[in-house]
Amino acid sequence: DAKTTQPPSMDCAEGRAANLPCNHSTISGNEYVYWYRQIHSQGPQYIIHGLKNNETNEMASLIITEDRKSSTLILPHATLRDTAVYYCIVRLYSGAGSYQLTFGKGTKLSVIP
Amino acid sequence: KAGVTQTPRYLIKTRGQQVTLSCSPISGHRSVSWYQQTPGQGLQFLFEYFSETQRNKGNFPGRFSGRQFSNSRSEMNVSTLELGDSALYLCASSWTSGGASDTQYFGPGTRLTVL
Repeated sequence: DAKTTQPPSMDCAEGRAANLPCNHSTISGNEYVYWYRQIHSQGPQYIIHGLKNNETNEMASLIITEDRKSSTLILPHATLRDTAVYYCIVRLYSGAGSYQLTFGKGTKLSVIP
Repeated sequence: KAGVTQTPRYLIKTRGQQVTLSCSPISGHRSVSWYQQTPGQGLQFLFEYFSETQRNKGNFPGRFSGRQFSNSRSEMNVSTLELGDSALYLCASSWTSGGASDTQYFGPGTRLTVL
């Protein structure tokens, strides 16, 4: 089962910041939080990941709470092309040196003109 | 640098047939993972290969199999196709999969339709 909880859908006005929340209350100390997005019928696109510190790249910012039980993905200036399903994932260790991504249902973000 | 490539992009098969899908990882990546995505079950992990060895396997029947070649390219095979195997099959590659922050990058997927 996925270890994360996300709202099923959100709307955001074009040009405004989109803040996508994620709860991961059972996260372990060495598990990373990853964010991917998937535009209809395409492969998921990597956005950003983090462990405990806030992270920023050219696509987004990731804010992780101090207790690491939740995080927020921020798209600073949403455009219509940001309309997608956003997945928050805790990367789980599966043994034998292998990690896997366990996807939940994600948040369907709709950017409104 | 080229991304993950998957061939073919679209495939139509009939029940009982078998199918082979191919994945070429990003240059230098040695780990390849396969996922199945359906409207009902979402994205589910199939298996992961590293250095030609299967290191991890999801909860799928034995009809689903895979392999990895010495150049890290991977194939997955589904035998005795069922209608429920209709799905988007996604391949993802990463450097080693041995690190907690080793990022997986996905290909565009192969859309399989079973009639």
